[in-house]
Amino acid sequence: AQKVTQAQTEISVVEKEDVTLDCVYETRDTTYYLFWYKQPPSGELVFLIRRNSFDEQNEISGRYSWNFQKSTSSFNFTITASQVVDSAVYFCALSGTGLTGANNLFFGTGTRLTVIP
Amino acid sequence: EAGVAQSPRYKIIEKRQSVAFWCNPISGHATLYWYQQILGQGPKLLIQFQNNGVVDDSQLPKDRFSAERLKGVDSTLKIQPAKLEDSAVYLCASSLVGWTGATNEKLFFGSGTQLSVL
Repeated sequence: AQKVTQAQTEISVVEKEDVTLDCVYETRDTTYYLFWYKQPPSGELVFLIRRNSFDEQNEISGRYSWNFQKSTSSFNFTITASQVVDSAVYFCALSGTGLTGANNLFFGTGTRLTVIP
Repeated sequence: EAGVAQSPRYKIIEKRQSVAFWCNPISGHATLYWYQQILGQGPKLLIQFQNNGVVDDSQLPKDRFSAERLKGVDSTLKIQPAKLEDSAVYLCASSLVGWTGATNEKLFFGSGTQLSVL
């Protein structure tokens, strides 16, 4: 069974602080994909990153970075020098390679990030 | 490029009434998804279409929910009759290809329809 746990329900930081959002996953698939999506107040989920299970390289994109560790089944997301525009709900998601669910994303419950100016 | 369009944006109905949501995916996207997002939870897949065929509807409550995708483009999701627990945001998403085994593409989401059942 697929499962994604985001233990942090809400986080508040002051602008320019760094913040890390945790994500722990469970899967029996040997090949799987991990995602992060951002949901701003407007409601639509915006894709941030996709990682496959064979690529454990950390990735940096501007102020965003991701740390994927298979040994701990974690895929954490760090925002450096946070800005007010980063305020949103962030979802970690997992998809496997099942016969009918190749793109069936299993989402965590999300972490609401508030950046205080 | 136009995004995924959904309507209506909000809907309030009484329990046991019927309701329908509409989605127009990004042009050329073969795969369309309907997700249900209950307040405080992550989205949950209800149904996935590949063109106009159903790929996965294992989590769709078929006694009251139905969905169709006419001509492999627009889609409608219907609830009949609605229950209080159906109050949620219904998100539509699309992806270029989707179900090709190893390709798990990013999804493009609409802004959703917020349903309140009283």
